[in-house]
Amino acid sequence: AQSVTQPDIHITVSEGASLELRCNYSYGATPYLFWYVQSPGQGLQLLLKYFSGDTLVQGIKGFEAEFKRSQSSFNLRKPSVHWSDAAEYFCAVGASNDYKLSFGAGTTVTVRA
Amino acid sequence: ETGVTQTPRHLVMGMTNKKSLKCEQHLGHNAMYWYKQSAKKPLELMFVYNFKEQTENNSVPSRFSPECPNSSHLFLHLHTLQPEDSALYLCASSQFRDISYEQYFGPGTRLTVT
Repeated sequence: AQSVTQPDIHITVSEGASLELRCNYSYGATPYLFWYVQSPGQGLQLLLKYFSGDTLVQGIKGFEAEFKRSQSSFNLRKPSVHWSDAAEYFCAVGASNDYKLSFGAGTTVTVRA
Repeated sequence: ETGVTQTPRHLVMGMTNKKSLKCEQHLGHNAMYWYKQSAKKPLELMFVYNFKEQTENNSVPSRFSPECPNSSHLFLHLHTLQPEDSALYLCASSQFRDISYEQYFGPGTRLTVT
């Protein structure tokens, strides 16, 4: 069974600074990888996903993520954060022959002025 | 209404009450999901419906009872809940029950069991 670890529970970043959120997965075959964002009072919104091909994936809101098979990682990055990026971020992994997603526990991002 | 809506947004109930959560998707999707989100824990998949048929019951206690009368509506009936059932309950839908189809989430119902 697949699983996800998000090592950072909470990250504080200054507005305009860069952001990187870590995600490590455990899965024997090629994983399907996702990043979701949850703003306060909202449901989860898909930021980006990786199925195959180019290991650097571009998403919405200026986010990107890089799949590194050797490190079993799928870290999320943004070059310059905005106050509206304050939210909770979830990494998830799935298998190509299944429909279930395994989520990490999430990383809360606080943006300071 | 667009996307996935959930009502009520907040619910407080006693352990002996019976209540229902409602989810409606306006996306023409065929698969619907219930998730439980507890603080600082991974989302837990509870139930999955595909074309109105239940295809997943992830060892959920019988005090949670889902109902899917059509592809657009999903209910979660609650009775004799425990305090540890307090959580955010999220509904999601996707066009098909397949990992390659994005799941769209509603805003959730914040449930507090007293």
